[in-house]
Amino acid sequence: AQRVTQPEKLLSVFKGAPVELKCNYSYSGSPELFWYVQYSRQRLQLLLRHISRESIKGFTADLNKGETSFHLKKPFAQEEDSAMYYCALSGNSGNTPLVFGKGTRLSVIA
Amino acid sequence: GAGVSQTPSNKVTEKGKYVELRCDPISGHTALYWYRQSLGQGPEFLIYFQGTGAADDSGLPNDRFFAVRPEGSVSTLKIQRTERGDSAVYLCASSLIAGSTDTQYFGPGTRLTVL
Repeated sequence: AQRVTQPEKLLSVFKGAPVELKCNYSYSGSPELFWYVQYSRQRLQLLLRHISRESIKGFTADLNKGETSFHLKKPFAQEEDSAMYYCALSGNSGNTPLVFGKGTRLSVIA
Repeated sequence: GAGVSQTPSNKVTEKGKYVELRCDPISGHTALYWYRQSLGQGPEFLIYFQGTGAADDSGLPNDRFFAVRPEGSVSTLKIQRTERGDSAVYLCASSLIAGSTDTQYFGPGTRLTVL
């Protein structure tokens, strides 16, 4: 069964501190992993995907197939990073919908 | 350009009533997805369309839920005999073509409250 687990409902960090939002997945195959973000009063939007191997707004995420994890990291948190973050996966065979985790609310304290 | 739009933004109805939720995808996007997000949960897949046809409706919880996309653009999610448990935010997303590599762009959602 496909499953995405985000163990932390809420993560509070001070501005300038490192951030790591945890995501573990269960999938019988090679999934594609994504991080979506929802800022206050805005719609859900894609932050990054593992196949792009890019850094967006200072965030990076590495797919670890051995640990079935896709943790989101940023070395120095900013107040504007405060938001709801969702990890999601889809199959890589195409035509598969996204399976989301329950989300982690990141609060960056000034 | 215009993103995905959804109407209404809020809908309050009574138990047992029928409701329709509308989604306008980004122009030219052939794939359209419906998700439901209950309080404290991530979005859960309901159904997706490739063009006019429902390519996967495995997420629809029961036969009270139905969705159409007759002209391959606007989609309507229909819920019959609403129940209090149907209360949630209903999200629509579209992508250029159906495929796991295509970015899904989300609408603002419709908050449905069943009294």
